[in-house]
Amino acid sequence: GQSLEQPSEVTAVEGAIVQINCTYQTSGFYGLSWYQQHDGGAPTFLSYNALDGLEETGRFSSFLSRSDSYGYLLLQELQMKDSASYFCAVRDVSGSARQLTFGSGTQLTVLP
Amino acid sequence: DSGVTQTPKHLITATGQRVTLRCSPRSGDLSVYWYQQSLDQGLQFLIQYYNGEERAKGNILERFSAQQFPDLHSELNLSSLELGDSALYFCASSLRTGTDTQYFGPGTRLTVL
Repeated sequence: GQSLEQPSEVTAVEGAIVQINCTYQTSGFYGLSWYQQHDGGAPTFLSYNALDGLEETGRFSSFLSRSDSYGYLLLQELQMKDSASYFCAVRDVSGSARQLTFGSGTQLTVLP
Repeated sequence: DSGVTQTPKHLITATGQRVTLRCSPRSGDLSVYWYQQSLDQGLQFLIQYYNGEERAKGNILERFSAQQFPDLHSELNLSSLELGDSALYFCASSLRTGTDTQYFGPGTRLTVL
């Protein structure tokens, strides 16, 4: 099976940089994904890392270290609209290889 | 807007009842996934269909069932409802199976009284 750990809450101020960490344990590994979910809304895909290193998409970047089973999502120039829950996810390859397992989510609060 | 539609948006029902949630995937997507999200919980994978066939099963209760029709829309049937079934139910779709990029619908909020 798989398990993912991420902090339950993070708070930062507008304009700051925040990092949301995710450690995972899986029986197999394809890559690490990140999703954003605003309160009561639909999760939206942010990024995917299959290889070690940093992937940058605008103000958001995602990092993966396969050897450490660790990744993070970096949000720069925080805006109020970034207040949301952020989920890391890995794909289960032990069974059907088609199922995403999500972490419990990190609630990011951006203060003015 | 992801292109995935779900109906109804809200559903209130009583314990013991049966409900059907409907999902239409993005145009061209063949895979449909169902997730349950209880209050302050993460997304729990329930079941996946690809081009009409069941492809993966997660922690789906025996009281729950799903299917994908020839036009690729999917329905999730929940029966003998219990209070603990109250949750947000999301449908997601993707072009292929085994992809990490899934497009989620707006969800159906089910309340069981």
